[in-house]
Amino acid sequence: AQKVTQAQTEISVVEKEDVTLDCVYETRDTTYYLFWYKQPPSGELVFLIRRNSFDEQNEISGRYSWNFQKSTSSFNFTITASQVVDSAVYFCALSEGVNTGFQKLVFGTGTRLLVSP
Amino acid sequence: EPEVTQTPSHQVTQMGQEVILRCVPISNHLYFYWYRQILGQKVEFLVSFYNNEISEKSEIFDDQFSVERPDGSNFTLKIRSTKLEDSAMYFCASSGNRDPYNEQFFGPGTRLTVL
Repeated sequence: AQKVTQAQTEISVVEKEDVTLDCVYETRDTTYYLFWYKQPPSGELVFLIRRNSFDEQNEISGRYSWNFQKSTSSFNFTITASQVVDSAVYFCALSEGVNTGFQKLVFGTGTRLLVSP
Repeated sequence: EPEVTQTPSHQVTQMGQEVILRCVPISNHLYFYWYRQILGQKVEFLVSFYNNEISEKSEIFDDQFSVERPDGSNFTLKIRSTKLEDSAMYFCASSGNRDPYNEQFFGPGTRLTVL
């Protein structure tokens, strides 16, 4: 069965610190997709990144970077030089299902990031 | 920029009442979804909908739930007889096609409170 684990419930950092949010997943499929979403205090879900299981290249987008390692089934998210506006709950999600068209996102329990000035 | 919209933003109802949550997906999208998030918990998949029928549903989506696309723009979730445990944030999402590389765009959510 597919499962996403975000072991860190809450992380507190001071502005300008780097922070890494961990995500470990389980799936039986060889083809799957991984996502990160941000949920700010206003409550909406904001898409950050997607990765397919065949692309292990790390990605950097501004202050954000993602490290995908199939060998450890992990898809970790690092924010460099954190800012107060980064305070939010971050969800890692998995989509699998060659037969069902990858329609269902399975979310982890989320990591609440608090960035203080 | 096109976005998914949901109404109402907050719905309060009495246990046993029927509620209809409304969503307007992005106009050229073909796949529609409902998810829910009980306060402080993770987001859970309820149902996906394509070509006017349910394509996948979770075990949460029992006979009390139904979805409909009554016209070309709206996508609704009906809960026939609400229970206290239905209190949650309900998110609608849509995606352009079956390719998962097209991510699901989420609406702002409807907070349902069952008293």
